[in-house]
Amino acid sequence: QSVLTQPPSVSGAPGQRVTISCTGSSSNIGAGYDVHWYQQLPGTAPKLLIYGNSNRPSGVPDRFSGSKSGTSASLAITGLQAEDEADYYCQSYDSSLSAFYVFGTGTKVTVL
Amino acid sequence: EVQLVESGGGLIQPGGSLRLSCAASGFIVSRNYMRWVRQAPGKGLEWVSAIYSGGSTYYADSVKGRFTISRDNSKNTLYLQMNSLRAEDTAVYYCTRGGDEYFQHWGQGTLVTVSS
Repeated sequence: QSVLTQPPSVSGAPGQRVTISCTGSSSNIGAGYDVHWYQQLPGTAPKLLIYGNSNRPSGVPDRFSGSKSGTSASLAITGLQAEDEADYYCQSYDSSLSAFYVFGTGTKVTVL
Repeated sequence: EVQLVESGGGLIQPGGSLRLSCAASGFIVSRNYMRWVRQAPGKGLEWVSAIYSGGSTYYADSVKGRFTISRDNSKNTLYLQMNSLRAEDTAVYYCTRGGDEYFQHWGQGTLVTVSS
């Protein structure tokens, strides 16, 4: 049911850089709508990580960064830490009739 | 400090009804974008419903005609009335405060299990 596609999993060693892609279409990301990212630690509610493509809410480390181009967006985590092991979801607005807010399929980040 | 506390979840038989509540503090519900998001066990996130400050309401196709979002300004509380529940409605339901187009604050969630 998700209309934004993410890789199921990515992994990296502590200190490494990992990126998560988020691919949409002409009715969401490609239409110019912003992309937002959420981190969900095991057993907890999601938390806003990036809003407006590349903005970090107060308290989010600058190790997390976001970008958007065309119909896709990316989340980068630099200096990977053990506490970054979580599920990550992208989200955007969709102008189709079926849904206003669409989420990505989710990516599990594993710290090796 | 913004706080969102959901309640009202539980085990319900198919075809039954439940009303979820979300008690808010630290801000005024009626002046914000409020939305419900759900997550089926082991699955991803799905937007369910939204109510804007002007009172306009919106629903995902999967719940349209069965769920109703509302708010009680005197109690600063958001609600989700869920009727004709199906097994596929089984999920943790999160109350969220927006962001124009994003979900800025999240509650801890309440689990709804639809099963006979």
